[in-house]
Amino acid sequence: QKEVEQNSGPLSVPEGAIASLNCTYSDRVSQSFFWYRQYSGKSPELIMSIYSNGDKEDGRFTAQLNKASQYVSLLIRDSQPSDSATYLCAGGGGNKLTFGTGTQLKVEL
Amino acid sequence: DTEVTQTPKHLVMGMTNKKSLKCEQHMGHRAMYWYKQKAKKPPELMFVYSYEKLSINESVPSRFSPECPNSSLLNLHLHALQPEDSALYLCASSQVPGLADNEQFFGPGTRLTVL
Repeated sequence: QKEVEQNSGPLSVPEGAIASLNCTYSDRVSQSFFWYRQYSGKSPELIMSIYSNGDKEDGRFTAQLNKASQYVSLLIRDSQPSDSATYLCAGGGGNKLTFGTGTQLKVEL
Repeated sequence: DTEVTQTPKHLVMGMTNKKSLKCEQHMGHRAMYWYKQKAKKPPELMFVYSYEKLSINESVPSRFSPECPNSSLLNLHLHALQPEDSALYLCASSQVPGLADNEQFFGPGTRLTVL
């Protein structure tokens, strides 16, 4: 099992809908998680961090962590075409991050 | 100042050239990182500096040589690269080395092409 797994997509959602991005992780990954957004040809941009069980909200973004199920998700409400990007889930913290392979999100007009 | 800067943005070099990539941050962060990213792949960690000392080398070939002259600067010296080394090279920084909730912030990257 890979340490951090994501569905590569593409995930297509209509404009205004909720996009749900998911990530699972193995026991070897520590308990801090990060979501990065990466536009094509650009560098990753940190959009959410989550360290404890439950939900964390920031604007249109909600990160959810369920340690019992080893599951992390990112919800994007009122999706906009500008949200179209690859979303990378990363686990670890400390000095090493383990990245998933990323999910490509397409928000369609 | 809340950003990581990298120069140059683009670099084309031959296999016999020597070049350097530069990274700078003025956020007072004490951990700095080099990553390599190939197309449609996640970033791959190369080196970590903690308090200006090399703490992690992910078995990177010696043709890549990192340097941390001070707490704000990070260099990556390149020599005798191969075409397969062509990639986006990313620098990142984080506040305190070793913390579990250590958020890493990336620079814009240097797009390297080796001919």
